[in-house]
Amino acid sequence: EVQLVESGGGLIQPGGSLRLSCAVSGFSVSNTYMTWVRQAPGKGLEWVSVVYVTGNTYYADSVKGRFTISRDNSKNTLYLQMNTLRAEDTAVYYCAREMVRYGSGSYDVFDIWGQGTMVTVSS
Amino acid sequence: IQVTQSPSSLSASVGDRVTITCRASQSIANYLNWYQQKPGKAPSLLIYAVSTLQSGVPSRFSGSGSGTDFTLTISGLQPEDFATYYCQQSYSVPHTFGQGTKVEIK
Repeated sequence: EVQLVESGGGLIQPGGSLRLSCAVSGFSVSNTYMTWVRQAPGKGLEWVSVVYVTGNTYYADSVKGRFTISRDNSKNTLYLQMNTLRAEDTAVYYCAREMVRYGSGSYDVFDIWGQGTMVTVSS
Repeated sequence: IQVTQSPSSLSASVGDRVTITCRASQSIANYLNWYQQKPGKAPSLLIYAVSTLQSGVPSRFSGSGSGTDFTLTISGLQPEDFATYYCQQSYSVPHTFGQGTKVEIK
């Protein structure tokens, strides 16, 4: 069964660090694009970061320099290391599989999502 | 690329035809996806490449548009369709989302 299970969320003080994990089953993170998307309470979806098969990574401007996406192929797990956390980072964090669908072009879609893990940054 | 949805919310009755629009700040050709999110749940993919339904999505959902202006239509709203809908551009990274449209029961 294809499944993503996030963990590692919790309450953290401003300026602190947290590492989120996304345990993957049913496919390999090593040959799949993987992303993180977050959702602040009562707000919309915000794309956070992606890691490509090549290992190339990209980040939203709001987290660049503070967050690091990585993967452990041996554990088939995706990570998001979050440093220097701010109140505005408070959100549910989802990991998602990014697949390419082919038609008249190649289309990136987030077809499998985890259940999310809540991160609360507050003193 | 900025993506703007309208309206932010709407009220409709079962059986109604509902239309949600999405506008990109520059041309994204047909690189436009739609997701549905129910309260307390992760989003799920509805439509990609403007109009291609994800497997298992009912045919009452349809999408149209190109360039900068796109539409999601639900023809014959069902009770299970009351949710929040997001468009997303996949033309370039970051793959930005619209701010969402909440479809509520009238």
